[in-house]
Parts: sequence; C-alpha cells; structure tokens
Amino acid sequence: KAGVTQTPRYLIKTRGQQVTLSCSPISGHRSVSWYQQTPGQGLQFLFEYFSETQRNKGNFPGRFSGRQFSNSRSEMNVSTLELGDSALYLCASAWDSRNTEAFFGQGTRLTVV
Amino acid sequence: ELKVEQNPLFLSMQEGKNYTIYCNYSTTSDRLYWYRQDPGKSLESLFVLLSNGAVKQEGRLMASLDTKARLSTLHITAAVHDLSATYFCAVDEASGSRLTFGEGTQLTVNP
Repeated sequence: KAGVTQTPRYLIKTRGQQVTLSCSPISGHRSVSWYQQTPGQGLQFLFEYFSETQRNKGNFPGRFSGRQFSNSRSEMNVSTLELGDSALYLCASAWDSRNTEAFFGQGTRLTVV
Repeated sequence: ELKVEQNPLFLSMQEGKNYTIYCNYSTTSDRLYWYRQDPGKSLESLFVLLSNGAVKQEGRLMASLDTKARLSTLHITAAVHDLSATYFCAVDEASGSRLTFGEGTQLTVNP
C-alpha cells in the first residue's frame, strides 16, 4: 500500500515568488492536513481538507492557501514568498479526521532565498 | 487556545536506562498521538491514544493517557541507541483533524 506522497521533495525559491506543493494521500483517505515545521516555531497546523472542503484553518496569513481535488489529492500554494516561509512542509493523510490515525508524507523542504 | 507542553525538551541517557517523557495539554481532549522524527525525516506514528486510561506498548516504548490530569507519558525501558530521535506528542482538538504538537523531546541514547 503506497504511503503519502509529497512532491517535490526540495525547492529553492526567491523572495516574492509563489510556490505550489502537492500531496497525494493514501488510497481511500479523504482527509488531508498540512503542517509547517520550522526550528523556531515547531510544527504548526496550516489547514485541513476533507472531501474537497476546507474544514479547519490555522493562524497563517492569506498568502497560504490550499485546495483538494475530487481524487483527494491536495495542493497548497504560498504566494509572495518571504524568507520566513523556509520550512519543511508536511502533509498528513487520514481515512477520516476523527479518531483515526494520521500518516505523514516525507515532506517538502522549501528554501526561500 | 490549546497548548501542549513536553518535558524534558532534551534528554541524554545511557543505554539500558529507563526514562519518561511527559506531555501536558491545556484543554479537554481524549485523542493524543505520539510521533517519532529522525533528523531530516518525516513523522512516524508511534501511538494513538483515544480514551482515558489508554495504555499502549510497542517494544521498549509505552504510552499512557490520563485525560483528567491532561497528561500523557511516554516511558522508555532499557534504552538502546536506535531510539535516538525527536519525539512529539500531539493533541487532536475536538473540532476535527487539527493536531497541536508539543515542542518535541530530543532524545540521545549514548552507549
């Protein structure tokens, strides 16, 4: 059974650019969540999608957005990149979001220069 | 706002010793998770604790949950070098899938 797949694994972008990250959940899982991990702030929740609807959103500026497609694949977009957006972005997949285990992908390491 | 606090944040221990990592959280929740992260890697799920009094064991690790005390523990028995990693606890707020993570405990097991 394939795990959670995130692409790309590594990205280098320049300040002011925008970036799109992709997450393919485990087959059959309908919940996809995104987290940002930095040394200073730790692991922080960005948003969660379930059946193409955003159900939860963390405290991040509007430059961070996401969406989920009918096949449960999800993308997150960050516009007008700032140096502080450099982080490991992790995607988590779950069958449902309640009382079920979330499985994390390998992450996308974004570096903003 | 839910807060999750782990202690200690750094733990250096000798092989063969026992120790406990503590995870306190600030709101009522009966869903708590423990994850392991190796340097540069993703999060590996260790335990899912879904009710008061839940206790789960896997190898040298045992996790428990006390929802009344808002406390979870991860107990390490007879540590080995392979357990060196960062361990996170995470609490799932009642509203759905939104994990709030602790700061992480960086564990180093020395020979």
